[in-house]
Amino acid sequence: DQQVKQNSPSLSVQEGRISILNCDYTNSMFDYFLWYKKYPAEGPTFLISISSIKDKNEDGRFTVFLNKSAKHLSLHIVPSQPGDSAVYFCAASPNRDDKIIFGKGTRLHILP
Amino acid sequence: DVKVTQSSRYLVKRTGEKVFLECVQDMDHENMFWYRQDPGLGLRLIYFSYDVKMKEKGDIPEGYSVSREKKERFSLILESASTNQTSMYLCASSSLAGEVRHNEQFFGPGTRLTVL
Repeated sequence: DQQVKQNSPSLSVQEGRISILNCDYTNSMFDYFLWYKKYPAEGPTFLISISSIKDKNEDGRFTVFLNKSAKHLSLHIVPSQPGDSAVYFCAASPNRDDKIIFGKGTRLHILP
Repeated sequence: DVKVTQSSRYLVKRTGEKVFLECVQDMDHENMFWYRQDPGLGLRLIYFSYDVKMKEKGDIPEGYSVSREKKERFSLILESASTNQTSMYLCASSSLAGEVRHNEQFFGPGTRLTVL
């Protein structure tokens, strides 16, 4: 049973536009959420996170929104750049001492 | 600069061989993890460790074992490799200390293992 779901396997966005990656979760005990970015033949790198006490966290071009009532979070990238083409993993954790659970990932293609 | 290293980037083994994948982190992290990544399946946790000589099963431990004799090193062992263990293997570490980034895991570059 998937606790963290990324329902879009891939997404194509024009360079300069906004990229929106979505993630749903089922476990109401999750209180910390993370996004990772992965290039081919490299390990994932941490991108941005959000605690359940917040509904938005921003870091440069990246913003994560959390809607706890809908058990939904999204990652916004504005403006999208060619180097943003990668696989993005959504992840969640029930507490800061526990393992994190990853979604299956969304492959983002930024089109020139 | 934090660093997680894995012993090999690419590895080719034969069915039935014993395979060792090594991971070393230089951040003095307490927690270490082994994942495998397969197309369409994302990252799946194999084993993890919260301390030296301690190990916990993840979601898919069958066919694998681990060893953590030193804090900085976490080894994944395939006792008898099979073709369905062909995959990208990723090691990660994290620390309980600090408040800035909860549960952030730092990943190594991965080992692409092919079992023939």
